Formats: sequence, structure tokens, C-alpha cells
Amino acid sequence: GAGVSQSPRYKVAKRGQDVALRCDPISGHVSLFWYQQALGQGPEFLTYFQNEAQLDKSGLPSDRFFAERPEGSVSTLKIQRTQQEDSAVYLCASSWGLAGVETQYFGPGTRLLVL
Amino acid sequence: AQTVTQSQPEMSVQEAETVTLSCTYDTSESDYYLFWYKQPPSRQMILVIRQEAYKQQNATENRFSVNFQKAAKSFSLKISDSQLGDAAMYFCALILSGSARQLTFGSGTQLTVLP
Repeated sequence: GAGVSQSPRYKVAKRGQDVALRCDPISGHVSLFWYQQALGQGPEFLTYFQNEAQLDKSGLPSDRFFAERPEGSVSTLKIQRTQQEDSAVYLCASSWGLAGVETQYFGPGTRLLVL
Repeated sequence: AQTVTQSQPEMSVQEAETVTLSCTYDTSESDYYLFWYKQPPSRQMILVIRQEAYKQQNATENRFSVNFQKAAKSFSLKISDSQLGDAAMYFCALILSGSARQLTFGSGTQLTVLP
């Protein structure tokens, strides 16, 4: 596709529900990133994939957060037993190279509201 | 760990005038890249400009330019001939070369362009 796409754009969940957020990176982009952006703040790193390998998950806030990219393209961020503090915008980004310093291109984000 | 600081939560500028957004950062590494991203209300993060730390020449992209002062760890963004479409949240970000591939963002500066 022309850009990074994410779905759904908005998600309302009741506390305790599981949610799955999808990211479609730019075709051919090797690297994929997930960030969490709280209201009025800058994005914070969650996890990074190079192809299907998850090379860094140091930013995942708890073991309720899980991400996968099984075929090295589409990625899913799953949050189990959602809590109110999980409410945020979840941004996905992709880049073409392996060096790690190529420009990251961002999707529109998924706004998650946990009630 | 690296940090990025944007000390101006809000800025405003008259249409056609020039405005400078400030950013300072801290890292013990010598090889890194700096970015300015723009996030309009639609929330899609868009790259504005990029600077390699090893380059002494300041990056320029049309009406956007940076003042990169490596010794002072300062990376300001100048927007010339401001347009209504420049109104957005602007984020300064840093990425280290090497194994760490996560962008570290500042807290953002909300820019308002007055007609």
C-alpha cells in the first residue's frame, strides 16, 4: 500500500476485555515498530520487529501486552485483560532497512479507550 | 538512556512569519540521528526533517530548516513563511546508531498559526 495502515482506528473496550490491534506496514519494509502515545505526550516505544523476529520488546509495559508478526509483514498488538491505564493511541511505524536509523513512517494510530 | 526535551508546550505564529521550535537532548553516544515529526489533528505522524549527527551542515527542506548544535545538544526547527497547514503538534526525536532502534520522542510543541 501507499502508507502504513492500522485498524481499527477506534476501539472501546470494557476493563478486562482482550483487544487486538492490527498494523499493515508499507510493502517491502523490513522493520516494524509499535509505540504508545498517551494524551498530550510524545510516543513511547513498545517493541520492534525485523522481519518476523521480535528483536526488542523492552518497552512493553506488562506481560498483558503481546505482539507478533508471523510472516514478516502484518503485525498484531494484543492486550489482554485491558486496564484503564491502557487507554492511549497505539502507533505503528515501519522502515525499509536493517540499520535501524532509516526514517520510520507512521500509521494513523488506533485510539483505545478502556472503560 | 537518552532523553529529549521540548520546553515549549505551545507556540503561535502569524501566517507568513517565521517561528523557531526548541529541542534539547541528552545522550552519551556520539553517533545518532535527529528528527522533527509533525502530527496534525488527524494524528498521522509525518516526517518534517532529519539530521545525521556526523554532518555539520544543517538540514533544510523547503521552508523547514534546523539549527543543529552538537556540542550544546540542541536541535531547533525553524519554519519560514508559516502557513495555516503548518498548525500541528511537532515532536523532536532521536535514534541512536547501532543496536537500539527505538525513537525517543520529546513531549511535543503545539504550534498555532494565526491568520
